Amino acid sequence: NSKVIQTPRYLVKGQGQKAKMRCIPEKGHPVVFWYQQNKNNEFKFLINFQNQEVLQQIDMTEKRFSAECPSNSPCSLEIQSSEAGDSALYLCASSLLVLGTYEQYFGPGTRLTVL
Amino acid sequence: GNSVTQMQGQVTLSEEEFLFINCTYSTTGYPTLFWYVQYPGEGPQLLLKVTTANNKGSSRGFEATYDKGTTSFHLQKASVQESDSAVYYCVLGGYQGGRALIFGTGTTVSVSP
Repeated sequence: NSKVIQTPRYLVKGQGQKAKMRCIPEKGHPVVFWYQQNKNNEFKFLINFQNQEVLQQIDMTEKRFSAECPSNSPCSLEIQSSEAGDSALYLCASSLLVLGTYEQYFGPGTRLTVL
Repeated sequence: GNSVTQMQGQVTLSEEEFLFINCTYSTTGYPTLFWYVQYPGEGPQLLLKVTTANNKGSSRGFEATYDKGTTSFHLQKASVQESDSAVYYCVLGGYQGGRALIFGTGTTVSVSP
């Protein structure tokens, strides 16, 4: 079972408000990912980090989201100004090389509702 | 581009019936393929993976076979239980640790006692 910890589990914000969520990856997993899962069960990759540095991020993340993964602190994802379309399950995953292939382990997610 | 297709949106079964979920993928090369399962209120869990090295994977009674010729990666289980009710995702993995996963649209499996 995954030991990725995400807080809070539920987040309710008004439009225009900031929304911040945190993730503690599994110990020893060098790469951390953030995904957005919408109500249609579609997954969208947002951003990932390796050793506190951003590896990749999509355009949306670059403009309206801020994220960081400092050493010895939880990773975080923050939406600067929430929109109704941001309502979704935000999933954090950490990645480990196992028998020659990279596996990703997910946390339970933070469910964001933007009113 | 890279993509994964699951045509079955919903599968309804009774306990002890056979489960088969179809998945096809499109990519270059021979990536690792995964099946993830997601229960209500939880994040996706890795169920099993298959690489080009072994072509087959199994876990908890589930089996998947990787067919490079037809670019398919089907999941099956001989006898389902009510506790297998969940959403199952066929997932295309990257070649490197920093590559994002590509999820299929998911198949909701409902098993009645």
